Amino acid sequence: AQSVTQLDSHVSVSEGTPVLLRCNYSSSYSPSLFWYVQHPNKGLQLLLKYTSAATLVKGINGFEAEFKKSETSFHLTKPSAHMSDAAEYFCVVSDVQGFGNEKLTFGTGTRLTIIP
Amino acid sequence: SAVISQKPSRDICQRGTSLTIQCQVDSQVTMMFWYRQQPGQSLTLIATANQGSEATYESGFVIDKFPISRPNLTFSTLTVSNMSPEDSSIYLCSVKEQGASEQFFGPGTRLTVL
Repeated sequence: AQSVTQLDSHVSVSEGTPVLLRCNYSSSYSPSLFWYVQHPNKGLQLLLKYTSAATLVKGINGFEAEFKKSETSFHLTKPSAHMSDAAEYFCVVSDVQGFGNEKLTFGTGTRLTIIP
Repeated sequence: SAVISQKPSRDICQRGTSLTIQCQVDSQVTMMFWYRQQPGQSLTLIATANQGSEATYESGFVIDKFPISRPNLTFSTLTVSNMSPEDSSIYLCSVKEQGASEQFFGPGTRLTVL
């Protein structure tokens, strides 16, 4: 069985300061991991994905995440927050890459607030 | 990535009625899924829409309540039947290509049941 824990339900940072959104996962197999972003009243947008290639993954809008198997973590970071980053962020795990059980398991989400 | 549209974008319905939500993709896709996002919560998978056969439902979701159709590789519908206020949620469809790991999501349908 797979699961995801997002350690913070709400994170507030000042504009221009670093962002850290924490995620820990549990998986029976080699997982695929994703971060999705949901802006208010909008659908979900894929920020980045990890699928057993490089452990440091770069995504859109300056975000990146590092897969750490020993810590079962996949934290999302950005060096400098922008007002447009204010949104809900979901960490997501999928056990099997591309075939078989395609189920995504979502974390509970982290709401990121940017302080001007 | 595929462009996904959903109709309606939002609706307000009376309890006891049914609503059918459409999901249209601009290209053929291998897999389509339906999710529910209850107010202030994360996404929960309802079912996998299988082309030409019955959908595969997750635990807690049944075909009588959430019938799903997928007549071809670009279109699917989800019906929310005999609605109650507890069905008020955002319903999202997603698609995945064979061999890919990620899913892409439609804009969602915001349903309010009075």
